[in-house]
Amino acid sequence: DAGVIQSPRHEVTEMGQEVTLRCKPISGHNSLFWYRQTMMRGLELLIYFNNNVPIDDSGMPEDRFSAKMPNASFSTLKIQPSEPRDSAVYFCASSRWTGQVEQYFGPGTRLTVT
Amino acid sequence: DQQVKQNSPSLSVQEGRISILNCDYTNSMFDYFLWYKKYPAEGPTFLISISSIKDKNEDGRFTVFLNKSAKHLSLHIVPSQPGDSAVYFCAASALISNFGNEKLTFGTGTRLTIIP
Repeated sequence: DAGVIQSPRHEVTEMGQEVTLRCKPISGHNSLFWYRQTMMRGLELLIYFNNNVPIDDSGMPEDRFSAKMPNASFSTLKIQPSEPRDSAVYFCASSRWTGQVEQYFGPGTRLTVT
Repeated sequence: DQQVKQNSPSLSVQEGRISILNCDYTNSMFDYFLWYKKYPAEGPTFLISISSIKDKNEDGRFTVFLNKSAKHLSLHIVPSQPGDSAVYFCAASALISNFGNEKLTFGTGTRLTIIP
């Protein structure tokens, strides 16, 4: 089975540009999570979805960040406009509906904003 | 406010010896705890978990211990192998809704280095 797929793996962009990160969860998983990893704060949950519905977006740092899940097999995290402090590794994870707590992570997208 | 804390950013252990990674939490609502392992340029991978109704869970070389009164858990790896060199994250979950899939709160990680 394919794991969680994220694209791109690396993104370098200039300050002010729009950035879109993509995620395909594991087939059959109903929950999807977006995380950001930085040296200072470790792994932070940004937002999560259950059955394509956003449940908790309290971790989204600013209005510049938005996330969508138009269907069960695809989600996007968009940053517009991007800033240098957004540079981090962004992970997507998914889990099954049946009360499974374990989440399965994708390989991450390393974002660098210059 | 860091609800899950891993106070040791790094740990070095001789191959074959026991590695002990520690984690403390502050939220008494946490009822499920997990350990993840992360290699460079990869996503975290699930290693082992424990429910708050238990105080120990074992899986091969990996054992997790939970001390609820102290709000402390630890991961023991024995014997340690070079392939265990990675960053280990502790995570905790609290039942906050009826959805069944709860968010995880992660610690900042401990980098374990196994010395051959």
